[in-house]
Amino acid sequence: RKEVEQDPGPFNVPEGATVAFNCTYSNSASQSFFWYRQDCRKEPKLLMSVYSSGNEDGRFTAQLNRASQYISLLIRDSKLSDSATYLCVVNTDFNKFYFGSGTKLNVKP
Amino acid sequence: AAGVIQSPRHLIKEKRETATLKCYPIPRHDTVYWYQQGPGQDPQFLISFYEKMQSDKGSIPDRFSAQQFSDYHSELNMSSLELGDSALYFCASSPKDVAGGAYNEQFFGPGTRLTVL
Repeated sequence: RKEVEQDPGPFNVPEGATVAFNCTYSNSASQSFFWYRQDCRKEPKLLMSVYSSGNEDGRFTAQLNRASQYISLLIRDSKLSDSATYLCVVNTDFNKFYFGSGTKLNVKP
Repeated sequence: AAGVIQSPRHLIKEKRETATLKCYPIPRHDTVYWYQQGPGQDPQFLISFYEKMQSDKGSIPDRFSAQQFSDYHSELNMSSLELGDSALYFCASSPKDVAGGAYNEQFFGPGTRLTVL
């Protein structure tokens, strides 16, 4: 079983829609959680860290549910430029990070 | 702001040749990670270094080795290259953490695209 699981999608949504991704992790001792965005053939870029209390950055909201071992990312008012692959990343040990396979988002005009 | 620098950006090698990839972390970042990303796959963790010492090892083949130098830059050495080594190789760095390792965000370099013919 993979350490981090994501629905690969693709999620095809119209501009302006709200879309949510979930990511589950298997190690209950995981410490830190992140969402990265990756455009085709480019490096992953940090979108946001996910804090226990949940956090929001503009149109993006991240939540952590430790009891059920999942994190979520909500994107409101989707833009064409949001089209990308969204990677869930979990830090278990000191310097060990596990990536999900990514969820592909296509925002259509 | 300074970012992670990787060189070369593109590299073409023949089977059984060797390759060396270089990574220059963001200034004052003391931790470096190497990842391999094949086509259509998620990044696979290879190895990491903290304060010039290897801190963790992932799915790095025995044909590969890496080190972090006194100026914190890192090199990934790959020998006896195989066709399956063709991939994007990312380096990422994390800042010095005073809280014991939690919430260490990684910042990725642009990657080196290695093609083995």
